[in-house]
Amino acid sequence: QQQVKQSPQSLIVQKGGISIINCAYENTAFDYFPWYQQFPGKGPALLIAIRPDVSEKKEGRFTISFNKSAKQFSLHIMDSQPGDSATYFCAASMNSGSSNTGKLIFGQGTTLQVKP
Amino acid sequence: KAGVTQTPRYLIKTRGQQVTLSCSPISGHRSVSWYQQTPGQGLQFLFEYFSETQRNKGNFPGRFSGRQFSNSRSEMNVSTLELGDSALYLCASSYSRGGAKTPDTQYFGPGTRLTVL
Repeated sequence: QQQVKQSPQSLIVQKGGISIINCAYENTAFDYFPWYQQFPGKGPALLIAIRPDVSEKKEGRFTISFNKSAKQFSLHIMDSQPGDSATYFCAASMNSGSSNTGKLIFGQGTTLQVKP
Repeated sequence: KAGVTQTPRYLIKTRGQQVTLSCSPISGHRSVSWYQQTPGQGLQFLFEYFSETQRNKGNFPGRFSGRQFSNSRSEMNVSTLELGDSALYLCASSYSRGGAKTPDTQYFGPGTRLTVL
């Protein structure tokens, strides 16, 4: 129930195309869903995040779509660029009202390659 | 503002030894979390420290321990190393305001690459 399942494991997209990565969870207590981007030799960096009270959040070329009833969320990268080539992780966490804890449950990761 | 720093960046140990990894959070951040990253298991939560107290713990054996100092710096210790402990160990810090609707962003360091021979 603590798992977050992510697919696909790897993705190749042409420059200018749309990259789509999907995640699914079981635990309905999760209330925060961030996406992290990781380049080789670096730690993950927050890309965009969403709470379950909204169905979509957009920041530049990056959009999260959230389906609470299906317990699924996805990352869409519009106009994908070679510089977007990285590993992407979805994650989920549960937060109490008094203390927002730092425990993130991560998906397995998706390696994205954007071809020029 | 300086980011999260981790030392050392690379470490080679042999089975049975112990190791201590260090993490300096972003100035003003009070929470430090540790994660293990491996190709097979991905990113797994080890534990979180806030105000020198362990606030959360993942499903790792007792050989993995940590602590946090009064300046929020944190150390992680692994005793009796096993081959399977070879991994990238990541530290993340956040302000951790408490009571906010959305958690504070966790900022990750570059990690310590531990190789156990």
